[in-house]
Amino acid sequence: DIVMTQSQKFMSTSVGDRVSITCKASQNVRTAVAWYQQKPGQSPKALIYLASNRHTGVPDRFTGSGSGTYFTLTISNVQSEDLADYFCLQHWNYPLTFGAGTKLELK
Amino acid sequence: QVTLKESGPGILQPSQTLSLTCSFSGFSLSTSGMGVGWIRQPSGKGLEWLAHIWWDDDKRYNPALKSRLTISKDTSSNQVFLKIASVDTADTATYYCARIIRYFDVWGAGTTVTVSS
Repeated sequence: DIVMTQSQKFMSTSVGDRVSITCKASQNVRTAVAWYQQKPGQSPKALIYLASNRHTGVPDRFTGSGSGTYFTLTISNVQSEDLADYFCLQHWNYPLTFGAGTKLELK
Repeated sequence: QVTLKESGPGILQPSQTLSLTCSFSGFSLSTSGMGVGWIRQPSGKGLEWLAHIWWDDDKRYNPALKSRLTISKDTSSNQVFLKIASVDTADTATYYCARIIRYFDVWGAGTTVTVSS
């Protein structure tokens, strides 16, 4: 199975900051990575697909980058509503696997 | 507008079979490239992909649970079903269904399942 490692379980930020959340794949997944945001009590919502494409309606302060084994989700000008859990997903190979998640918190 | 909604028993006992239904609208599972999948999340933990089914009835399962999973669809009623046999307390989780077009683009709100004696 491909392991998706989000090494930072928690990240602290301030409103207006720029923050980058990383995800490392245990093997080459090309650009078959998606990013999701999940707020407490809600289901995950798609942010980025194919590593760098914004899902419909996602603000342009969310940017995805990377290919192969290293992927980054960058949030520019963080807003209070961005405080949430973020997960990566690889859909290159079965079984599909998620990262363990990174919780974005206020400093 | 694409929407999905999960339904399930809420609570069941160990060794029973969990039956989940995903009712969706805004797309058809007879359309090429469309699929619906199931993902679960124990409280406070991460996401685990379980299975998904494609428009052509191709089915994919997580090998870790494959022997216990059965996914099926009723295209005419816009529903996808998942059965998990021989549940135990480790199957306690929120279960989500989501449309898959290579990635999961739209998710349901989830249904909580508790396995307890």
